[in-house]
Amino acid sequence: AQTVTQSQPEMSVQEAETVTLSCTYDTSENNYYLFWYKQPPSRQMILVIRQEAYKQQNATENRFSVNFQKAAKSFSLKISDSQLGDTAMYFCAPLTCYGGSQGNLIFGKGTKLSVKP
Amino acid sequence: GAVVSQHPSRVICKSGTSVKIECRSLDFQATTMFWYRQFPKQSLMLMATSNEGSKATYEQGVEKDKFLINHASLTLSTLTVTSAHPEDSSFYICSARIRGEGETQYFGPGTRLLVL
Repeated sequence: AQTVTQSQPEMSVQEAETVTLSCTYDTSENNYYLFWYKQPPSRQMILVIRQEAYKQQNATENRFSVNFQKAAKSFSLKISDSQLGDTAMYFCAPLTCYGGSQGNLIFGKGTKLSVKP
Repeated sequence: GAVVSQHPSRVICKSGTSVKIECRSLDFQATTMFWYRQFPKQSLMLMATSNEGSKATYEQGVEKDKFLINHASLTLSTLTVTSAHPEDSSFYICSARIRGEGETQYFGPGTRLLVL
């Protein structure tokens, strides 16, 4: 079974500082995709960043970047220059693929991030 | 990014009634739509996957006769909670996968269902 582990249930960071959220996963696939989504208090799920497993280069999206270690099955999210609006639940979600069809996202339990002024 | 809408955003109903939730992709065609359920302070749990024009695929433990899913077009999927009971109270979220951008899912804003 595919599993996703987010070992930090809660984290806090001071505004303007950097924070890293960890995620490890288990998959037998070689080609797959990895996502980070955030869910602010409004509960709207918002795509933060995505990574294709076949790409060695870590994805970046403005203040958000990932550290993707394929062999270690690790996919951490780094938020630089944290802003108050970054306060949210963050979910790591690998995309499982089985057979020839596109599969489903598997969500971790989430990390609640609080950015403090 | 792509926009997915859900309607209604909030519904309160009496036990025994049926509730229909609509999920629409506003500016793209969605080959596949997903329905999730989220309990307070928990992660998203996939209920079912629906492909346009075919029957939905339900996850283990999800009653297909209880949660009816219809994906009539490339922009609309509906979830009907039949004969709702208080234990069905939850936050229901849909998402859609873009045709031609196969892997990324965009989420609707969710529907809060409260069954009295």
